[in-house]
Amino acid sequence: KAGVTQTPRYLIKTRGQQVTLSCSPISGHRSVSWYQQTPGQGLQFLFEYFSETQRNKGNFPGRFSGRQFSNSRSEMNVSTLELGDSALYLCASSLVGGATYGYTFGSGTRLTVV
Amino acid sequence: AQTVTQSQPEMSVQEAETVTLSCTYDTSESDYYLFWYKQPPSRQMILVIRQEAYKQQNATENRFSVNFQKAAKSFSLKISDSQLGDAAMYFCAYRSANTGNQFYFGTGTSLTVIP
Repeated sequence: KAGVTQTPRYLIKTRGQQVTLSCSPISGHRSVSWYQQTPGQGLQFLFEYFSETQRNKGNFPGRFSGRQFSNSRSEMNVSTLELGDSALYLCASSLVGGATYGYTFGSGTRLTVV
Repeated sequence: AQTVTQSQPEMSVQEAETVTLSCTYDTSESDYYLFWYKQPPSRQMILVIRQEAYKQQNATENRFSVNFQKAAKSFSLKISDSQLGDAAMYFCAYRSANTGNQFYFGTGTSLTVIP
C-alpha cells in the first residue's frame, strides 16, 4: 500500500514568486491536512481538507491556500513568497472519521525562499 | 488554543538502556487523544504510540510505553532497550475529540542513542 506522496521533495523559489505543492494521500484516506515545520515555530497547522471542502484552517495569512480534488489529492499554494515561508511543508492523511488513530505523514517538501 | 510543552530539547541514552521523554499539555477539555511521533532524518513523521484520554490504562507498543497522568496533564514516553534506530526527533501531539482534526505539537526532543 503506497504511503503519502509529496512532490516535489525540494524547491527553491525567489521572493515574490508563488509555489504549488502536491500531496497524494493513502488510498482510501479522504482527509488531508497540511503543516508547516520551521526550527523557530515548530509544527503549525495550515488547513485540513475533506471531500474537497476545507474543514479547518490555521492561523496563516491568505497567501496560503489549498484545495482538494475528487480523488482526494491535495495541493497547497503560497503566493507572494516571503523569506519566512522557508520551511518543511508536511502533508498528512487520515481516514474518513478523522485522525483519531493518528495521521500518516508524507516526507514533506522542503521549500527555500531566496 | 491547546499548548503542548516538551521541556527537554535534547536527550541521550546508551544503547540497550531506557530513556523517558517528557510532555505536558494544557487543555480544558476532558476528551482528547495524545500521540507521540518520531521524525528521523528522512523527515517523515512516524506514529509511535497513541493514548485516548478516557482510558486509564497506559498504552504500550513493544518497547514503547507511556505514562499518562490525566490530572497532571502529563504524557511521557518511555523507550526501553534503546536501539540505534531510535535516534530521531520525538514530538508529542494533542488532538481534541470534539473540535476538529487539528493536531497541536510540542517543540520536540532530539534523542541521541550512544553505541
